[in-house]
Amino acid sequence: GNSVTQMEGPVTLSEEAFLTINCTYTATGYPSLFWYVQYPGEGLQLLLKATKADDKGSNKGFEATYRKETTSFHLEKGSVQVSDSAVYFCALGGTDKLIFGTGTRLQVFP
Amino acid sequence: NAGVMQNPRHLVRRRGQEARLRCSPMKGHSHVYWYRQLPEEGLKFMVYLQKENIIDESGMPKERFSAEFPKEGPSILRIQQVVRGDSAAYFCASSPMGVGRNTEAFFGQGTRLTVV
Repeated sequence: GNSVTQMEGPVTLSEEAFLTINCTYTATGYPSLFWYVQYPGEGLQLLLKATKADDKGSNKGFEATYRKETTSFHLEKGSVQVSDSAVYFCALGGTDKLIFGTGTRLQVFP
Repeated sequence: NAGVMQNPRHLVRRRGQEARLRCSPMKGHSHVYWYRQLPEEGLKFMVYLQKENIIDESGMPKERFSAEFPKEGPSILRIQQVVRGDSAAYFCASSPMGVGRNTEAFFGQGTRLTVV
């Protein structure tokens, strides 16, 4: 069945450091891929998405490229801020529901 | 256009009581999804509903849990005879059509259920 695997956290970085959160997927067909972010005590917000191979989703300095050959959708940001501290979820769509990874907690310190 | 509205935000129930969680989807959205998030864990799919129909309940425990999305009114997730293990955050999401290519789901802020 379809599944998503994310790197375990927490990821701890200093402000302005480079961020990578790995995400790989297993799916039949041609799913869409999403990154959602959850701030403390809140629901999930869509951060970015990509709907086909080689698409790059981007938002608020975050980027992720849909790589079909490596079945990956890694999240990157060139320079993180303290306000980016949150839990990040990779998700797979294209079926009748979203399937989420386990989430990766990011902690950014000044 | 209001977002997905869930209430209550926090719910405390004693073991054996019933919990009712409500979700009003975004205007124009007829597809609703319920997810459960246990402490320090990811989101687990529970059930997918369209108006008056359950489409996929493969993630719903077979006993004590039920969900509905009537023609009028919010979607309801009902947990009967709650136990401590039901303590979790329950999130509702909605979309205008089935989640798929280029169709995202919009999430509510969740209901945090605590069973004491």
